[in-house]
Amino acid sequence: KQEVTQIPAALSVPEGENLVLNCSFTDSAIYNLQWFRQDPGKGLTSLLLIQSSQREQTSGRLNASLDKSSGRSTLYIAASQPGDSATYLCAVTGTGNQFYFGTGTSLTVIP
Amino acid sequence: EAGVTQFPSHSVIEKGQTVTLRCDPISGHDNLYWYRRVMGKEIKFLLHFVKESKQDESGMPNNRFLAERTGGTYSTLKVQPAELEDSGVYFCASGGSYEQYFGPGTRLTVT
Repeated sequence: KQEVTQIPAALSVPEGENLVLNCSFTDSAIYNLQWFRQDPGKGLTSLLLIQSSQREQTSGRLNASLDKSSGRSTLYIAASQPGDSATYLCAVTGTGNQFYFGTGTSLTVIP
Repeated sequence: EAGVTQFPSHSVIEKGQTVTLRCDPISGHDNLYWYRRVMGKEIKFLLHFVKESKQDESGMPNNRFLAERTGGTYSTLKVQPAELEDSGVYFCASGGSYEQYFGPGTRLTVT
């Protein structure tokens, strides 16, 4: 059974810092890995999708990498802003197309 | 294009009552998923529809939960009778073959 772990559970940084969020998964036979953002009381916003054949994806200040063999992904956020404060979720899909989620990293960017 | 919508956004019911949650997927999406997040835990898969057929319902916790998808369009998730441990946020997602788009969720509180 796939298990997804995210470290750290919470992170607080001053504005302008670069930061890295980590995600690990136990079964490397994944189809995709997706990073989401969730704001309090809101739904999930997709940030980046990495297909299993890809190594990384970039969107603006965000860069996500995937190392399937080691079961790891990182989300790099450059020049963090207070508006980046949210919970970041990592999720992987396997043969059944269902997502397996981590418990998330709660990020606070201090102005 | 409208995203995935869910109704209601918040429901408060007493233990033993019945609640029906509704999800309207993005038009044209054959795949529809239900997930839920209970307090302090990760988001977990409940079931997957392909059009009107249940493809995978391995995540449904027990027979108090009944999901339907009429005509392959919108879907309902009924909880009858509701128990305290059913409290949480219920998410719906729809998508194609590899990317899922999430709705804002329904927050269910059972008292």
